[in-house]
Parts: sequence; C-alpha cells; structure tokens
Amino acid sequence: DTAVSQTPKYLVTQMGNDKSIKCEQNLGHDTMYWYKQDSKKFLKIMFSYNNKELIINETVPNRFSPKSPDKAHLNLHINSLELGDSAVYFCASSQKRPGTGVYEQYFGPGTRLTVT
Amino acid sequence: AQSVTQLDSQVPVFEEAPVELRCNYSSSVSVYLFWYVQYPNQGLQLLLKYLSGSTLVESINGFEAEFNKSQTSFHLRKPSVHISDTAEYFCAVSDPGQGAQKLVFGQGTRLTINP
Repeated sequence: DTAVSQTPKYLVTQMGNDKSIKCEQNLGHDTMYWYKQDSKKFLKIMFSYNNKELIINETVPNRFSPKSPDKAHLNLHINSLELGDSAVYFCASSQKRPGTGVYEQYFGPGTRLTVT
Repeated sequence: AQSVTQLDSQVPVFEEAPVELRCNYSSSVSVYLFWYVQYPNQGLQLLLKYLSGSTLVESINGFEAEFNKSQTSFHLRKPSVHISDTAEYFCAVSDPGQGAQKLVFGQGTRLTINP
C-alpha cells in the first residue's frame, strides 16, 4: 500500500542511452512532481503536473520529457543521457488542503541514476 | 524568488544532547514552511510544517520548530536526540503568492548522533 512508488530503484546506464523512470501515486492527489537531488544532496524541482497538465517547468534540458498519462502517474523520460544526469530523482504528489493554499508534498523512495 | 539557507551542512551531537538546526528564508509577505527528514537511502518524509497561527509547531517524535517572522527563520530543535534521529534534514518554503505547489529547499543539514 505504498503511497508514492517509483521504478526502478536503481538505474545504471551508459552515456547516450535513453531511459525512463516511472512514478505512481495511490493517494488520489491531483498534482505530481519530479525533483533532482544531486551528489551534494541539493534538491531542485524539475516539473510539476496538475491533472495531467504541466504547471511547473524549471530550466531543465529538453532531453528531459515528463509524461502524465493520468493523474496517478507521472513518468520521466531522458534522452541522450550525460554524465551530469547522474543523481537521485524523486517523484512527489500533493493535494491542496481545503481552506488553505497549502500543498503538502509526499515523496517517493527515489531512483538512483548512474550514467557511466 | 524564494530562497532557503541552512547555515550548517553538518551537525554532530552526542546522544541525549539537545540540537538546533538552523533555517532562514528570504522574506515575503507570507510563506509556508516545512521541515523534511531523509533517512539513509530513503525518500523524504514531512516532519512538521508551519502554515499559520501558533508560531511553534511540533512533530510526533519530539522535534519542534519556531516560525520567527522578524528574523525570517524556522529553526528546528529537539531537547534530547536519539541515535535513530541520524538523517539529513531539509528546510523548505513555498510562497502562495508565487504558486504554492513549488517547494524551494535548503541545502540540507546532516545530523549525526554519536553514542
């Protein structure tokens, strides 16, 4: 009954390859996110979708393409992988708290991507 | 744009000692503030949050944080730490005026508890 799940947990691949990471949430949330955590543990938002619509798109190379087939899923496809893409990628989901403007985000376990 | 500064990248303390992890954010009319904890090789878990009202907020495992608007701070404290508190702690802010969905994180503070 995991709330936010990601697959795979580990991904090792070579430069130039194309890979995808999948995320699913069973919390009934409307909004999903992708974050990148670099080797220094710094976390930065990449994308956010609300009801399958892209609402946040930070300055991320266009080799990264998110896809949301439905509001419970948000996948991340990465083309032409580079060494600098090595990081831990976290998926998250949230729902607006009634009566407030707050979105509490729940995170998945992360996918550790290593590009060699 | 909002920014968050966690002044200490690492904080080593002895078990049962008190600890304070510092967090400052860039000023805004109103913000929502969060502390997340990341245990080794795991995802982030929400520890506590400040939305409005009482400036002192508490978590279920003994941590508390105080919102100080004049100092734009949201420091995290625990009076007596346990070995199990060893983790990375992240302070985060969202600005309802700029889209509350976006969380901006600090650089993280690694809390290491020594026996």
